[in-house]
Amino acid sequence: DIQMTQSPSSVSASVGDRVTITCRASQGISSWLAWYQQKPGKAPKLLIYAASSLQSGVPSRFSGSGSGTDFTLTISSLQPEDFATYYCQQANSFPHTFGGGTKVEIK
Amino acid sequence: QVQLQESGPGLVKPSGTLSLTCAVSGGSISSSNWWSWIRQPPGKGLEWIGEIYHSGSTNYNPSLKSRVTISVDKSKNQFSLKLSSVTAADTAVYYCAREWIQLWFDPWGQGTLVTVSS
Repeated sequence: DIQMTQSPSSVSASVGDRVTITCRASQGISSWLAWYQQKPGKAPKLLIYAASSLQSGVPSRFSGSGSGTDFTLTISSLQPEDFATYYCQQANSFPHTFGGGTKVEIK
Repeated sequence: QVQLQESGPGLVKPSGTLSLTCAVSGGSISSSNWWSWIRQPPGKGLEWIGEIYHSGSTNYNPSLKSRVTISVDKSKNQFSLKLSSVTAADTAVYYCAREWIQLWFDPWGQGTLVTVSS
């Protein structure tokens, strides 16, 4: 299985801050990576797919980059509704695997 | 737009079989999509369980393969999960999701908590 490692596991930030989350794959996955946002008690929501493509309806302050083994999710200006846990997911090979999550908390 | 809704018992006894159904509305389960089950133990991360196509073709996570069966009922526009020989470690919120291009999960159902306990 491909292991997905996210860092940091949590980050404290203020509204308006730029936040960057990293995801590293245990082997190359080209651009077969997605990012999800999960709020407490809710299902995950697809934000970014194919490493850098913004899902329809997702605010443009979210962006993704990277290829191969190293990927980044950036929130350019953190909004109150962005406080949540973020997961990366690889789709390069079965089984699909997820990172351990990064919790974005209010500073 | 497509919506998914999980249903099934919220409590299963150890060594029993967990059975859940995902009803698809706003679209056909016979569309060109795969359909997946994903679970999340309380306070933990996400684990993909397996997927099915409307033809009945399946792929399972090897870590669960010996205990998992996913099936589809096109007449009811739904698909189902059975997980046998459950233990407390199988306690989790179980989500169903549509797989977009067999790659990305969108949308997801709201999830249903299944507790394994006597």
